[in-house]
Parts: sequence; C-alpha cells; structure tokens
Amino acid sequence: DSGVTQTPKHLITATGQRVTLRCSPRSGDLSVYWYQQSLDQGLQFLIQYYNGEERAKGNILERFSAQQFPDLHSELNLSSLELGDSALYFCASSVQSRGNTEAFFGQGTRLTVV
Amino acid sequence: TQLLEQSPQFLSIQEGENLTVYCNSSSVFSSLQWYRQEPGEGPVLLVTVVTGGEVKKLKRLTFQFGDARKDSSLHITAAQPGDTGLYLCAGAKYTGNQFYFGTGTSLTVIP
Repeated sequence: DSGVTQTPKHLITATGQRVTLRCSPRSGDLSVYWYQQSLDQGLQFLIQYYNGEERAKGNILERFSAQQFPDLHSELNLSSLELGDSALYFCASSVQSRGNTEAFFGQGTRLTVV
Repeated sequence: TQLLEQSPQFLSIQEGENLTVYCNSSSVFSSLQWYRQEPGEGPVLLVTVVTGGEVKKLKRLTFQFGDARKDSSLHITAAQPGDTGLYLCAGAKYTGNQFYFGTGTSLTVIP
C-alpha cells in the first residue's frame, strides 16, 4: 500500500459527460501529480500541484482541469468526454516540489467512455 | 518524443535466465527511479539512484546509474515468474517539477 488513495477505482460514462477523479496523497506529501496511461501512449504526465498551487503542466487537454484543496487532496475534472479519453488515470504524491525526489502512485482510476 | 527511451520494449524469457533492461537519454538527471507495474495497478517504486556511477542491489535486482547521469540499467538475475510486469524508469531533473517516464519494458517470465 503506497498510502495514495484514488477514487473511484472504475468509472464508466458516456461521451460528452463530465467526471471527477479524486486523489488523497500520502500523509505529509505536498505534491500531487496526475498521469494518464493508455495502451498505446504509455504513462503521460498531465499536471502537478504543490501545496495548492499548479507547478507544472504536461500534455493536459483544455477539456481537463485539476485542483488541489487546502487539505491537499486533489481532483481531476474531465469534461466533454470522448472515446479516446478511456484510459487509466494515476495520481502520485511526493514530499517535495522539485523533481529530485520519489513519487508514490495510487491504484488508479480506470475510465471507460462508451 | 520521449525523454527516456527504454530497451527492449518487450522481453519474454524462461525462468532462471538473466536479463538487462536499459534506460537511455541525452538529458542529465538529478536522480532516476525504477518502478514495476502490474496490469491494472499503479507503478510501485523499486529504487532511486542519485549518484553518477551508483550501483544498488535489491535481492536479485541490480540497478546502475550511468557516470554521466544520462542512463541507467536494471539487471535481474535468475528471473522468476513473479518478476513479470512492466518496468518503468523515471528521471527527475535538477530544475522543474516533473518526473519524466520512460517508454517501459514489458517483461514476461515463463515458468
């Protein structure tokens, strides 16, 4: 158990809908990262927050947004969903903001868009 | 374009064989992590190497960070079916806030 909790574990929704994925980082970790993993794309970095502030942005679509709350949990919002958004979405947390530290991953949310 | 390229992409070996997975880049990293991921699960951190030339051993797994801090290798001795999974390297830079993940190596160990 990494200490990172993601909910829900599975999500099935229709095209055009909006969903929210939730992540609780390890106790004491200030930094949260979101990744998307699909079969043909590998692990793609989406966005990072540190202590409530956005710190780095990767290949995140405009239809996607995220935030980190004062209690440090984070939510990833996916809207106007398309079939191609079906993937595993992972959250990871680390103690520091800078990249020279270790990240611990949650179990992921499997999103299926039908 | 991936910052970290792993090779081979797929590897299928018999139980008891040895193998090496490579993680290469033209960029310099402050540290490099290796993760193992099983289907439907999140990546699990195996090791972090931080010093150029560093070698770390974890039972039958040996990790090495290149002298120039641009590459790394993972060597597994006497592979077992339980070693089956996706192995990912990830590099962290001196500046910035991202972990850069490699392309992944899918290992299958056949009993």
